[in-house]
Parts: sequence; structure tokens; C-alpha cells
Amino acid sequence: QVTLRESGPALVKPTQTLTLTCTFSGFSLSTTGMCVSWIRQPPGKALEWLARIDWDDDKYYSTSLKTRLTISKDTSKNQVVLTMTNMDPVDTATYYCARVVVGASRYAFDIWGQGTMVTVSS
Amino acid sequence: QSALTQPASVSGSPGQSITISCTGTSSDVGGYNYVSWYQQHPGKAPKLMIYEVSNRPSGVSNRFSGSKSGNTASLTISGLQAEDEADYYCSSYRSSSTLVVFGGGTKLTVL
Repeated sequence: QVTLRESGPALVKPTQTLTLTCTFSGFSLSTTGMCVSWIRQPPGKALEWLARIDWDDDKYYSTSLKTRLTISKDTSKNQVVLTMTNMDPVDTATYYCARVVVGASRYAFDIWGQGTMVTVSS
Repeated sequence: QSALTQPASVSGSPGQSITISCTGTSSDVGGYNYVSWYQQHPGKAPKLMIYEVSNRPSGVSNRFSGSKSGNTASLTISGLQAEDEADYYCSSYRSSSTLVVFGGGTKLTVL
């Protein structure tokens, strides 16, 4: 059974750096074709894709946020970490991690975590 | 403003069929067969319903179907059921830019 779970602070102050961890099971990021993405959703608003890391360590970022984002993986711990610098109240959102299997559905997110709500406020 | 355009809301009665549109450009929806559709119930994570325009993951009801014409993709739900009431989002691969873009979402109400 494939599961993903996001963890991180519920509250961060403006200008701080947010660090989120996605811990997954049921697959390995060392397996060819496996990828993990981060997606966020502000309250009452639409989904927004943020970043993706692939089994071969290729990384992709949202054009509008790429200067603030860093994605990395720890294959031995089955974790993917996303950092976002210079947080602002507009970054308040639920942050999801989700799996992509390139061999099955190259750009579709087949399994999602439950999401973690992050509020940016002083 | 989202990259892909969806109607804000659609509605239908139980047993009826509805269609949700998702309009993009030749750089995303129109240029590639990488359109996906997600269902999201309140307070829950999205669930993949359709991938690569018209493919259903295992376990998804065959009442859900997808198609594409030009720069517009569509999700059709037939035999509407109360449990289908949710928000629906489309997404697409986009070339030369952000890897994936989403639509603004459509709220489906089952009357």
C-alpha cells in the first residue's frame, strides 16, 4: 500500500523559511520512474503545483516560485524535503505531496498525502 | 488567475450527465495528451480520476470519462450520484514553463 504523509510547522512568521517533509511508504525513490511532487492549495482556492523530484535526482520548479524553492530527497529515509524561503501571508495554504509514476502516467499525481496546513502570520 | 480555465460551477440531478470543460493553450492542453482530472471532497486530498486525457485509474467508476478537442479538455460524469458532489480540477503538462498547471476548479452540485 502506497502512502505519503506531510509534516512541518503549522505556523511560520513572515520572512522565515518553511521546511516541509514528505515521508512515504510502499515505493522507493530509487526505483526508475518514481517521482514526488509538492502541490499547495490556499484556503478556498485552487491547487498550485510547486516542485518535483525524480528517481534520478532531476528537479523541476514552478516558474513563478523557483527562486524561493528547493526540493531534495533522502532515499534511505523515504523522504522528500521542500524548503520555501521568505514566507509571506499569501503562502498560507495546505501543502500536499503526491507521487508520480512516469511509466504509468507521466504528469498525473496518483497518490496524495493528507496535506498539512501552514499559516504565515506574525 | 489559474493557468487553465474551468467553469466555477456546474449542477445536475441524480441520474443525469454533466460535462466540465478545461481550456488551455497549444502549450499545454492542446499540445499534449497529458491532461488529468482530480476530485476533491471538502477537507480531503484530491483523488486522481482521469489521466492522459481519457484513462481511468484502477478503481475509478466507468461513469467518469475524459476527452479532448483542440485546446479544451472535458470531464463527463454520467449517471450522477450524490457522492459525486465535489470540486473537480483539471491539470496539464505545460512546455517551456512550469511543468504542470492546474485549472481553477469546478464545484459540482448534485441537485
